[in-house]
Amino acid sequence: KAGVTQTPRYLIKTRGQQVTLSCSPISGHRSVSWYQQTPGQGLQFLFEYFSETQRNKGNFPGRFSGRQFSNSRSEMNVSTLELGDSALYLCASSLTVSSYEQYFGPGTRLTVT
Amino acid sequence: AQSVTQLDSHVSVSEGTPVLLRCNYSSSYSPSLFWYVQHPNKGLQLLLKYTSAATLVKGINGFEAEFKKSETSFHLTKPSAHMSDAAEYFCVVSDQGTGGFKTIFGAGTRLFVKA
Repeated sequence: KAGVTQTPRYLIKTRGQQVTLSCSPISGHRSVSWYQQTPGQGLQFLFEYFSETQRNKGNFPGRFSGRQFSNSRSEMNVSTLELGDSALYLCASSLTVSSYEQYFGPGTRLTVT
Repeated sequence: AQSVTQLDSHVSVSEGTPVLLRCNYSSSYSPSLFWYVQHPNKGLQLLLKYTSAATLVKGINGFEAEFKKSETSFHLTKPSAHMSDAAEYFCVVSDQGTGGFKTIFGAGTRLFVKA
């Protein structure tokens, strides 16, 4: 069974631009969560989607948004990029929203200049 | 409220010696606890999980962890370190509280293995 895939793997953007990251979960998994990982803040939870509905949200500004499609694939969008948004963005999938075991993708490394 | 504390930011061991990575947690409910490993420039890989079954949990690559409710600890151990174990390790707590399902990651412990 294929693992979680994230595209693109690396991205360089300029301040003020917006970016969309994509995540394809493991086949059969219906929950997708997004995390931001930085050296200073560690791993922080962004949001979780299940059956196309946002189920949980972390403490991030409204510039960070996401969605999930009917095939469980998910996208996250960051608008008006700031230098501090430079990070590794990790996506994780799990079978259901109550299934705590998550499987992570390799991440998208976003650099904002 | 949930919290996870990994007591050491860095641990250094020699190859072939035991590994101990310490994790304390707090949770108002019956938590699920996990250890994940992250190798450089890679995503996180699940090592093992505790979900209220046996308190001693065996994971992949020879790792195991013991859930001790009285000490609110979930320390990760391995009898003999291998060079390939050098990575960052995260202790994670998840539970379903009144505020909904929450997952909290510890700050991570970087494991160095000396030849």
